[in-house]
Amino acid sequence: NAGVTQTPKFRILKIGQSMTLQCAQDMNHNYMYWYRQDPGMGLKLIYYSVGAGITDKGEVPNGYNVSRSTTEDFPLRLELAAPSQTSVYFCASRLAGPSYNEQFFGPGTRLTVL
Amino acid sequence: AQSVTQPDIHITVSEGASLELRCNYSYGATPYLFWYVQSPGQGLQLLLKYFSGDTLVQGIKGFEAEFKRSQSSFNLRKPSVHWSDAAEYFCAVGAKETGANNLFFGTGTRLTVIP
Repeated sequence: NAGVTQTPKFRILKIGQSMTLQCAQDMNHNYMYWYRQDPGMGLKLIYYSVGAGITDKGEVPNGYNVSRSTTEDFPLRLELAAPSQTSVYFCASRLAGPSYNEQFFGPGTRLTVL
Repeated sequence: AQSVTQPDIHITVSEGASLELRCNYSYGATPYLFWYVQSPGQGLQLLLKYFSGDTLVQGIKGFEAEFKRSQSSFNLRKPSVHWSDAAEYFCAVGAKETGANNLFFGTGTRLTVIP
């Protein structure tokens, strides 16, 4: 199993550009999450999904959109990139059921907006 | 709302020395508690978790943590640190009630190991 994979690993965007961060998991997990990690800070939840076709906002959703058309994939869309979106983005997934089920994280995407 | 405090931003220890990383949480009921480790350029890996039962939990890589309800703490310990333990460590709290079952993370503690 590849686990949780994310592409790209690095990206530089200009202000106003758009892009999609890809996330895929091959563990048949229902729950998927997008977090951002700013320097010196913990991870903050952007969006999450409890299954295909179901998504909801987390703590910091502004400026982002998500979709979940399949169990495996959970892309994150930035429509109009802003410098405040410079961060490292992590995707995670876990089995449905008790919330103490482990979240598995991808390796992250480092995004810089100039 | 849940929150997590990791008071130590950076800790330096000598290889072979003992380690304790502090974590305090805020939550109205019994929380689920986690410690994750992040090596440079990597994603997060679960070290251990507490959700019920014995308040002393054992994890991978020789780590353990103790849940102390009276102190709202979940400190991570290791009796003898190895150079490969140098990394960023995150404490996180999860709630039973929230639909998202997402985690709230502390700001992390960076561990440096001196040979």
